[in-house]
Amino acid sequence: SAVISQKPSRDICQRGTSLTIQCQVDSQVTMMFWYRQQPGQSLTLIATANQGSEATYESGFVIDKFPISRPNLTFSTLTVSNMSPEDSSIYLCSVAIGGYEQYFGPGTRLTVT
Amino acid sequence: GIQVEQSPPDLILQEGANSTLRCNFSDSVNNLQWFHQNPWGQLINLFYIPSGTKQNGRLSATTVATERYSLLYISSSQTTDSGVYFCAVERPGGTSYGKLTFGQGTILTVHP
Repeated sequence: SAVISQKPSRDICQRGTSLTIQCQVDSQVTMMFWYRQQPGQSLTLIATANQGSEATYESGFVIDKFPISRPNLTFSTLTVSNMSPEDSSIYLCSVAIGGYEQYFGPGTRLTVT
Repeated sequence: GIQVEQSPPDLILQEGANSTLRCNFSDSVNNLQWFHQNPWGQLINLFYIPSGTKQNGRLSATTVATERYSLLYISSSQTTDSGVYFCAVERPGGTSYGKLTFGQGTILTVHP
């Protein structure tokens, strides 16, 4: 398994601003994933973050809106840029251990006013 | 893309009852996992089960990959079992590695 922490755990932000979410893993992993969970909805994959290369974004998500950094094998950040109320969601990072099971961080609960 | 359907969408039980949650998927999968999201939003990994049967305490899961469905069994339910249960799948192929597609979830409420 893996122990994953995220910061901040929650935040309330004003529209038009940006928030950077940090994800820290207790072991080295090749790939980290960022998901969004809108209120009352399921999880949707935003992007895959590999160390040393550009993140790969899923359909409907773009780098200008959700820039991602992956400076080393235990850490990643996701920035939510130029926020609007529609960005209010829980943002979760995850890792795949042993190429199989995925483990998720506790999530960052974002409210945009 | 692959479609993942879970049923029922909502389930209300009395403590001690048993239940079965179902997950249907529309294509071959490389990976299937069941998660429990507790009321605080934390996703707990229950089973990695692309095929076969596994048991962990009061929970067990079965995936019949050839028929594209998986079942999660909860026996002797407890109030702490309340929350949302998600099924998530990964398609075969290198470009799909680790990319999970989630079902819409089953909201389980267990009353004392």
